[in-house]
Amino acid sequence: DAGVIQSPRHEVTEMGQEVTLRCKPISGHNSLFWYRQTMMRGLELLIYFNNNVPIDDSGMPEDRFSAKMPNASFSTLKIQPSEPRDSAVYFCASSEFDEKLFFGSGTQLSVL
Amino acid sequence: SQQGEEDPQALSIQEGENATMNCSYKTSINNLQWYRQNSGRGLVHLILIRSNEREKHSGRLRVTLDTSKKSSSLLITASRAADTASYFCATVNTGNQFYFGTGTSLTVIP
Repeated sequence: DAGVIQSPRHEVTEMGQEVTLRCKPISGHNSLFWYRQTMMRGLELLIYFNNNVPIDDSGMPEDRFSAKMPNASFSTLKIQPSEPRDSAVYFCASSEFDEKLFFGSGTQLSVL
Repeated sequence: SQQGEEDPQALSIQEGENATMNCSYKTSINNLQWYRQNSGRGLVHLILIRSNEREKHSGRLRVTLDTSKKSSSLLITASRAADTASYFCATVNTGNQFYFGTGTSLTVIP
């Protein structure tokens, strides 16, 4: 298996623009997680899906952030409108039967 | 915050020495896991210890868990330069949420 695949690897955008981050989990995994990593706040859990259903989105910072998982093989995290404080590395991770997480390589987001 | 905290924040040792990192957390857990992150990469799972276990070994890794103190430690024996990375603990609750600590940056000097 190719592992968790995230795209794009890097994203540079201007404040106010819409940003969409994409994730393909490992086939057969039933849980998917979105994390944000910054030096100041470390790794923050944004949202967690189980069997494509959002279970906990309490970590989503504000209404500008939304996440979807239309099927078992694809998820998106959207920021609209983006702000400079959203600059971070965004990771997607998947797991099977609630065991260990497999992380993607992350998306480095810079909002100017 | 449900994040754990690692201690120390940074650790620098000579190759061949042992490295010990500690993790403290606040909530009840189902299990606790340790991950490694190389610069610019995603996290990689190292070892999992369940709440009813006290110690676990995997190769050069030894993990302990004290649920009464809500703490865990990761010991890397006979360290190598390739062990240089950041190490994170993750607590997993009964709701299957994974919360990561602040990380320990380990530098192993050849």
